[in-house]
Amino acid sequence: RKEVEQDPGPFNVPEGATVAFNCTYSNSASQSFFWYRQDCRKEPKLLMSVYSSGNEDGRFTAQLNRASQYISLLIRDSKLSDSATYLCVVNADNYGQNFVFGPGTRLSVLP
Amino acid sequence: EPEVTQTPSHQVTQMGQEVILRCVPISNHLYFYWYRQILGQKVEFLVSFYNNEISEKSEIFDDQFSVERPDGSNFTLKIRSTKLEDSAMYFCAVGTRGVLSLQETQYFGPGTRLLVL
Repeated sequence: RKEVEQDPGPFNVPEGATVAFNCTYSNSASQSFFWYRQDCRKEPKLLMSVYSSGNEDGRFTAQLNRASQYISLLIRDSKLSDSATYLCVVNADNYGQNFVFGPGTRLSVLP
Repeated sequence: EPEVTQTPSHQVTQMGQEVILRCVPISNHLYFYWYRQILGQKVEFLVSFYNNEISEKSEIFDDQFSVERPDGSNFTLKIRSTKLEDSAMYFCAVGTRGVLSLQETQYFGPGTRLLVL
């Protein structure tokens, strides 16, 4: 079983749309959760950490459901600049442990 | 956000040659990581490095790979005898912990694109 799975995508949405990405993870010992975005041929860049209580950063909202081992990312009012691959990342321990990446979900926001 | 630089940005090498990829974190960090990403595939962990020694490594990180921090600043990944399948983007990352949180966040360098011919 794959450790971190994501919606296969790609998602093609018009500007202004709301889009949601889903992610599941297999390791119940996972402690830290993140969404990164990756532009084509660039490094992953931190978008936001995901906390148990859920968190919001502007147009972006992340949710975590530990019981279901499920993470989500919601993007409201999508912009052309949101076009990227969104990576779900989990960490088994809080510090000093490798990140486990999902395969990513590609988003294209169309004018 | 910590700044991490990597050199070279691109490297082309012949199969069987040795390559050294370099990472220079700008500020002090405790943990360093190497990841790779084969074109079109997911980011994969290679090795983590703490206090001048390997703390964890994946099954990808076989005897052909080694890491060191020779001068206390540069963090290097060496591939002794490159294979065609080593062609990938190699990312260095540093771990940092927030002031109010025990959670570590990792920040990635721009990567080195390695092509083995």
